[in-house]
Amino acid sequence: EAQVTQNPRYLITVTGKKLTVTCSQNMNHEYMSWYRQDPGLGLRQIYYSMNVEVTDKGDVPEGYKVSRKEKRNFPLILESPSPNQTSLYFCASTYLQLANTGELFFGEGSRLTVL
Amino acid sequence: GESVGLHLPTLSVQEGDNSIINCAYSNSASDYFIWYKQESGKGPQFIIDIRSNMDKRQGQRVTVLLNKTVKHLSLQIAATQPGDSAVYFCAENIENTGFQKLVFGTGTRLLVSP
Repeated sequence: EAQVTQNPRYLITVTGKKLTVTCSQNMNHEYMSWYRQDPGLGLRQIYYSMNVEVTDKGDVPEGYKVSRKEKRNFPLILESPSPNQTSLYFCASTYLQLANTGELFFGEGSRLTVL
Repeated sequence: GESVGLHLPTLSVQEGDNSIINCAYSNSASDYFIWYKQESGKGPQFIIDIRSNMDKRQGQRVTVLLNKTVKHLSLQIAATQPGDSAVYFCAENIENTGFQKLVFGTGTRLLVSP
């Protein structure tokens, strides 16, 4: 089954404790992206990657890191989480041929709470 | 399941009715628009898109209308079913800037009663 898989789905952590949210897709997509979703703000892009070893900042990259060492994986790293990073996070992917469309394939989300 | 937000505008309809969900956009340079559906506990799912050289596009049970004069987009769902209950949001883009420049709206919750 074609899918984007995120882990963990739910996490409660404390300020300053490094964490990684993993994202893996099995559709051979070149493009991958991370978004956060907060009430009243809609989806906001954190980072995106056009292909292996190619990443770039989105609209709200502060406090996050990413890496793209393999095509299928795009982990989101919070080196020192803070309470304002409490949010619902989504990973998405698609083919570069869909570059002129918005047809993204999303994971099911990771709910992160930072105390 | 995961929730998008507690204070979204809500549209409540009866099963079988037609639903119309509206979206206003602000950037007059936007020329590509998408509708997504987000069910509880799931990620957004692409429904339909439309480019600015069109004012109407139809899919299966869904129609998107674009009024560039007033910068307004709507999603019409025919014969709404309980499975259509979800949060719907639009996204806008400027042609040739790629999907990495999508700007997402905050959404409308659709509740369908049997």
